[in-house]
Amino acid sequence: SAVISQKPSRDICQRGTSLTIQCQVDSQVTMMFWYRQQPGQSLTLIATANQGSEATYESGFVIDKFPISRPNLTFSTLTVSNMSPEDSSIYLCSVATAPSSYEQYFGPGTRLTVT
Amino acid sequence: SQQGEEDPQALSIQEGENATMNCSYKTSINNLQWYRQNSGRGLVHLILIRSNEREKHSGRLRVTLDTSKKSSSLLITASRAADTASYFCATDAADPTASWANTPLVFGKGTRLSVIA
Repeated sequence: SAVISQKPSRDICQRGTSLTIQCQVDSQVTMMFWYRQQPGQSLTLIATANQGSEATYESGFVIDKFPISRPNLTFSTLTVSNMSPEDSSIYLCSVATAPSSYEQYFGPGTRLTVT
Repeated sequence: SQQGEEDPQALSIQEGENATMNCSYKTSINNLQWYRQNSGRGLVHLILIRSNEREKHSGRLRVTLDTSKKSSSLLITASRAADTASYFCATDAADPTASWANTPLVFGKGTRLSVIA
């Protein structure tokens, strides 16, 4: 398994500002993923972050709005830019633990409220 | 688009009873995983079942997979109040052009389970 931490755990931000969320893993992992969970909803993939290359974004998510960094095999950041109330969600990072197992593990999430 | 669909959307049972949640998906998969989420917190990994497996157990959890019907079920036996949470199934699509490790998960809408003491 993998132990994943995220910072901050929660934040309340003003409209128009940006927030950077950090994701730290206790072991080296190839793939990291960022998900969004809007209130009362399921999880939706934002992007896949591979170390040393550009993140791959899902339809409906763009790099200008959600820039991602992946400087090494244990760390990634997601920035939510120019926030609006519609960005209020829980943001979660996850990792794939290949090749030891097929399982994917999640961080505790960052609860973002935009006012 | 979401691939998995759980039913029921909400389930309320008495402590000690069994809880069964179902999940359906649309395309071929490599694996199916079940997660628990307490009150909007992070997801806790419960169990993974591979596409070539039909049943798997872990403690009070029993998961079945029927690839012909593209469905899975999660059974929690002898439920406890602490089992109260949302449960999600998640699949990684079988993509012959990509390593399975590069395939992110597609989540169902989840089942909200309430276990009443």
